[in-house]
Amino acid sequence: QVQLQESGPGLVKPSQTLSLTCTVSGGSISRGDYHWSWIRQHPGKGLEWVGYIYYSGSTYYNPSLKSRVTLSVDTSKNQFSLKLSSVTAADTAVYYCARGGYYAPFDYWGQGTLVTVSS
Amino acid sequence: EIVLTQSPGTLSLSPGERAILSCRASQSVSSSYLAWYQQKPGQAPRLLIYGASSRATGIPDRFSGSGSGTDFTLTISRLEPEDFAVYYCQQYGSSPITFGQGTRLEIK
Repeated sequence: QVQLQESGPGLVKPSQTLSLTCTVSGGSISRGDYHWSWIRQHPGKGLEWVGYIYYSGSTYYNPSLKSRVTLSVDTSKNQFSLKLSSVTAADTAVYYCARGGYYAPFDYWGQGTLVTVSS
Repeated sequence: EIVLTQSPGTLSLSPGERAILSCRASQSVSSSYLAWYQQKPGQAPRLLIYGASSRATGIPDRFSGSGSGTDFTLTISRLEPEDFAVYYCQQYGSSPITFGQGTRLEIK
């Protein structure tokens, strides 16, 4: 059974960089069967796809966030990570990592982690 | 970008009734790359349907999906108490991946 777990600071100051990591267990990122995504959900709102990454490091980002997002992967640790720069209060959201994205649904999700942007 | 519009925004029904949720796309969804998710408060979304009509692993057969092109439907044949939640449609055949705004299914 594939499991995903997000980790990282729950509070980030405005203009700083939000950094989160997703650790995958029960399946290997380097197997190359799937892409791995980040999705966020503003409080009380709907879902917004942030971007996905493949084990090789190839990425695709939502154009609405592309200038501020960087995804990376560490296959030795079976982890992938999100960095979102120049954050504002509008980036306050629950951030989920999930398996899927490139012509594939999101079939496994992490529990989500709330990141609040505030001074 | 494909915009997905879900209707109704809120659906009030009783256990045992049938629920029909709609998802309309602003342009055709290629190869029926359309999924449905269920989300309960404080939980991550759960995949119910993919490819417009295929049930995900472990999903009860009271959940069914249909449609193609720009019009898709999620049907819950007989509502169970645990089915009251928010439902999202999502397309994953065109970038950027997009979600509908959700339909809240509440107990009448």
